[in-house]
This record gives sequence, C-alpha cells and structure tokens, in this order.
Amino acid sequence: DAGVIQSPRHEVTEMGQEVTLRCKPISGHNSLFWYRQTMMRGLELLIYFNNNVPIDDSGMPEDRFSAKMPNASFSTLKIQPSEPRDSAVYFCASSFVIGGTDTQYFGPGTRLTVL
Amino acid sequence: AQSVTQLGSHVSVSEGALVLLRCNYSSSVPPYLFWYVQYPNQGLQLLLKYTSAATLVKGINGFEAEFKKSETSFHLTKPSAHMSDAAEYFCAPHGAGGFKTIFGAGTRLFVKA
Repeated sequence: DAGVIQSPRHEVTEMGQEVTLRCKPISGHNSLFWYRQTMMRGLELLIYFNNNVPIDDSGMPEDRFSAKMPNASFSTLKIQPSEPRDSAVYFCASSFVIGGTDTQYFGPGTRLTVL
Repeated sequence: AQSVTQLGSHVSVSEGALVLLRCNYSSSVPPYLFWYVQYPNQGLQLLLKYTSAATLVKGINGFEAEFKKSETSFHLTKPSAHMSDAAEYFCAPHGAGGFKTIFGAGTRLFVKA
C-alpha cells in the first residue's frame, strides 16, 4: 500500500500566481480531507469529501480556495490568486467511513511558500 | 460542539522518564478519541484510538491512554521515554453525530539525553 500520495512536496510561487495541490487517497477509502497547518493556527480542516461529494467546505478560507474530487482516486486543492498568508503545509488525508469515523491516513504534505 | 484542550504546548522529559501528555475533551462524550503523532517533516499518523470497547487503550511504540469519563480526560502516557519519541502529539475527539474529528493544538515532546 503506497499510502496517501501528495504532489508536489514543495512549492514556491509568487503572490498572485495560481497554485494546484494534488492528492491520491488510499485505494478503497471513501472519505478525503484537506488540512492546512501553520504555527499560528495549528491544524485546520479546510474541506471534507465523502464518496467524491463535498460535504463541508466551511473551513475554506475564502473564494480564492477551491477543491475538487472528480473521482475516487484523485483530488485537487487550488488557490487562485495565491497570497503570502497562504504559506503553510497542506495535508491530504483519507479514511474509510461508514456511519461514524475511523482512522485518517495522512499524506506527507505539501509545503507551500508564497513570496 | 465537541472541543479539546491539550495542556502544555511543550513538554520536556529526560530519556527513560515517564511521559504524560494531557488531553481534556468537552463534556459531551465523544464516540471516538484518537491520539496522533507527527514526526518532523511528516504527516500525522495514528498512535491509538478509543472506541468505547475498553477504557485503557494501548497503542504503538509503548504508548497508552486511559479514558476517564468523570474527568473528561484522555491522557497519553509512556513509562519510559526514548529519544525517538520526540515529536508533536495531537489529541483528537470525534464529535458525536458528525463527521468532524477535532484536532487539539498539539503538544511538542522534547526528550533530553
């Protein structure tokens, strides 16, 4: 099992540019989470998908952020336009959830730096 | 709504000493309680989880946690710290009736030689 795969691992971009982060969840999992981690705010849940459908995106900071899950094996988180305050480590996690919750398996994260 | 408090953002122990990381959840009993560990430059990984089957839960790497309803606590312990235990630890209760697992602010554990 390859685990949750995220790409790129590091991204450095300039303010105003579009950034796309990618995630491949563990095969067979039906839930996918995007988190953002910073020193100041800790770990924040941005959005949660269940069976490819966005269930709650209340954690998405603003309209500059969007996430998609076109199929069970792929998700993207897009920031357009990016700003320096978006600099953080972004984690994708997947889980198999039926009627409750279960262990979330985290990817290695994407470290985003916006100059 | 479920909430969680981890007492102490930093804990420092000597190698071989007892590790105690504190976690208190809000008054509503969560159906699930997790401890996750994050090593430097890595994602979080499960350390142990409570699912009401037993109040004392054993996890990986010699860690265990005890669910105490009367104290609304789920403290993490390890009898003897090892240098490799240096990491950040997150307590994470799951809200009843919902999908959200709420992550605490984390406690960074330092282990001194």
